[in-house]
Amino acid sequence: DTAVSQTPKYLVTQMGNDKSIKCEQNLGHDTMYWYKQDSKKFLKIMFSYNNKELIINETVPNRFSPKSPDKAHLNLHINSLELGDSAVYFCASSPGQGNPYGYTFGSGTRLTVV
Amino acid sequence: KQEVTQIPAALSVPEGENLVLNCSFTDSAIYNLQWFRQDPGKGLTSLLLIQSSQREQTSGRLNASLDKSSGRSTLYIAASQPGDSATYLCAIHYYGNNRLAFGKGNQVVVIP
Repeated sequence: DTAVSQTPKYLVTQMGNDKSIKCEQNLGHDTMYWYKQDSKKFLKIMFSYNNKELIINETVPNRFSPKSPDKAHLNLHINSLELGDSAVYFCASSPGQGNPYGYTFGSGTRLTVV
Repeated sequence: KQEVTQIPAALSVPEGENLVLNCSFTDSAIYNLQWFRQDPGKGLTSLLLIQSSQREQTSGRLNASLDKSSGRSTLYIAASQPGDSATYLCAIHYYGNNRLAFGKGNQVVVIP
């Protein structure tokens, strides 16, 4: 199936731990994104990569570090997790700037920090 | 600031009624506008994409219109069904800004 796939779907971890979320797309898109959906269900962009190059880095704590080994993958590593990091994290992709086809989202990773 | 507002935040309708969901935006320099559906605990499913040069898009019972001059988009869902119960998100891709700006969503409940 052509899609944006994220793993894991659920992640429960203790404060202070380090965790990673993986994302892969097989749509041949050039651009990938990480969005965060907070407890009020509001979606906001965190990062964007175009062909492995970071192009958007919103006001996100340095504890969050994206990594794109190739244009089909964009992983998110989070150090020293805090309670406030609990949210749903969505990966997305698009053909790139000037995109007439819209964005495709993964199914999300629900992170719970206890 | 490129804000996206969705009204109403939540609504309930009896099955069979038509749904009208509104999205307004403050900057008319948009590349395209995309409507998504999100079921509880699930990801985002793209419903309709309207390019800047288009006035509307249709897919089955869904119709989305775009009026850039007034900064509005409307999603119509005809003859609503209980399966239409979900949150509907309006998202805008602005020119020169390679990201989507989301509204907070319209949470819809269709009562059988």
